[in-house]
Amino acid sequence: DVLMTQTPVSLPVSLGGQVSISCRSSQSLVHSDGNTYLHWYLQKPGQSPQLLIYRVSNRFSGVPDRFSGSGSGTDFTLKISRVEPEDLGVYYCLQSTHFPPTFGGGTKLELK
Amino acid sequence: QIQLVQSGPELKKPGESVKISCKASGYTFTDYAMNWVKQAPGNGLKWMGWINTQTGKPTYADDFKQRFVFSLETSASTAYLQINNLNIEDTATYFCTREWRFDYWGQGVMVTVSS
Repeated sequence: DVLMTQTPVSLPVSLGGQVSISCRSSQSLVHSDGNTYLHWYLQKPGQSPQLLIYRVSNRFSGVPDRFSGSGSGTDFTLKISRVEPEDLGVYYCLQSTHFPPTFGGGTKLELK
Repeated sequence: QIQLVQSGPELKKPGESVKISCKASGYTFTDYAMNWVKQAPGNGLKWMGWINTQTGKPTYADDFKQRFVFSLETSASTAYLQINNLNIEDTATYFCTREWRFDYWGQGVMVTVSS
């Protein structure tokens, strides 16, 4: 299985600040169709995960432009600018290029 | 709007079975595959497998091949997850989520297995 390693595990932030979360895969996530199936989710406390970014850099419907995704191959980053209270929770990356789909271990974004 | 609404929490004893549902609305059910994801208490997310909503063919991750059954009731736009011979390690929240982007998620079903 593809191992997805997220860092950091915990990320203290001040409201209005900017943060980056890293997600590294144990093998390239470029699919044979040329796409890279790396996605980002936020799970707020007591809620189900919600899709933020799909295929590396595409914001899902309704996601503010404060969220941006980048990367290629095995190295990916989620950036959040101007952090707001509703951004707090656990962020997960997911690869669905290779079978089986695998999630990163999560990064908890919390207030300093 | 697109919604996945799951059934309510379950409390079961070891050895029992449970069947949880995921009712889709707001889109054509058979146009999108359905995934199932497990989240044990305080833990991360684990993909269990998916079901082709056009053919009903399930595909299971290795850890979920023995006691887990995915099924459909297409006329009701509903997917089901059945877990047989429950054990303590099955205590978790189970989510249904749509297609390759995992774009829409159910609210989750907490299954507690306790003697």
